[in-house]
Amino acid sequence: RKEVEQDPGPFNVPEGATVAFNCTYSNSASQSFFWYRQDCRKEPKLLMSVYSSGNEDGRFTAQLNRASQYISLLIRDSKLSDSATYLCVVNMIESGGSYIPTFGRGTSLIVHP
Amino acid sequence: DAGITQSPRYKITETGRQVTLMCHQTWSHSYMFWYRQDLGHGLRLIYYSAAADITDKGEVPDGYVVSRSKTENFPLTLESATRSQTSVYFCASLGAGGSNYGYTFGSGTRLTVV
Repeated sequence: RKEVEQDPGPFNVPEGATVAFNCTYSNSASQSFFWYRQDCRKEPKLLMSVYSSGNEDGRFTAQLNRASQYISLLIRDSKLSDSATYLCVVNMIESGGSYIPTFGRGTSLIVHP
Repeated sequence: DAGITQSPRYKITETGRQVTLMCHQTWSHSYMFWYRQDLGHGLRLIYYSAAADITDKGEVPDGYVVSRSKTENFPLTLESATRSQTSVYFCASLGAGGSNYGYTFGSGTRLTVV
C-alpha cells in the first residue's frame, strides 16, 4: 500500500468551477505537507505548504486533518491555466533525523472553456 | 544563475553503458534527492543525501550509484544502463531551514536506454 494516496482523476471541470482534491497518508508521524503543481513534461513546482490551521493563497485553500490523516486542496474559480497535475507531498523524519519526502502519484485537473 | 540545474536535459544511451546524470545547486542546501518519474508510478525516490559525504537509499536504488563529495553537486550514475531505466530523472534540494520551505526541483533529464 502506497504511503501517500491520491485520486488520479482526471477531474474535468468548466472554467469558474470549484474543485477539491484529497490526499491521504498512512504514517501518523508525518511532519509537514505540501501541494505541488506539475505541468506536462516539466518539473514539479511548489504550490503551497499546508499548515495545521489551514491556509489560503488567493484562489487556493489547503487544509490538514491530522486525526483522519488527510490533506486537501480547494481551487475556487478555476482558470484554464490551472490545468495540470497536482501532487501531494508528505514529509517524514526518519529515525536518523533525515527528512524523507513521499509524493503521491498526482491528481490530473483539466479545466475547459 | 542561482538555482538547481541538471545536465544533460536529454540523453540516449545503449544498454550496458555507464551514464552519469549531473545535478548542481547554488544555495548550499543540505539535502539533495534523486527521483525518477514514470507513467503509473509517480515520483519514486532513488537516493538522497542529507549533507556532503552522507547518502542513503530511497525506494528504488538498485542499478544506481550516487556520491556527494561537495555540497553543491549530487551526481547519479547508472552503472550498466538497462531499458527499464528509461525514465525522466529529477533532482531536488531542500534548504537547511527545514521542511517547511518545500523542495525545489531541477528541470529534469529525459533518459532513453536503447
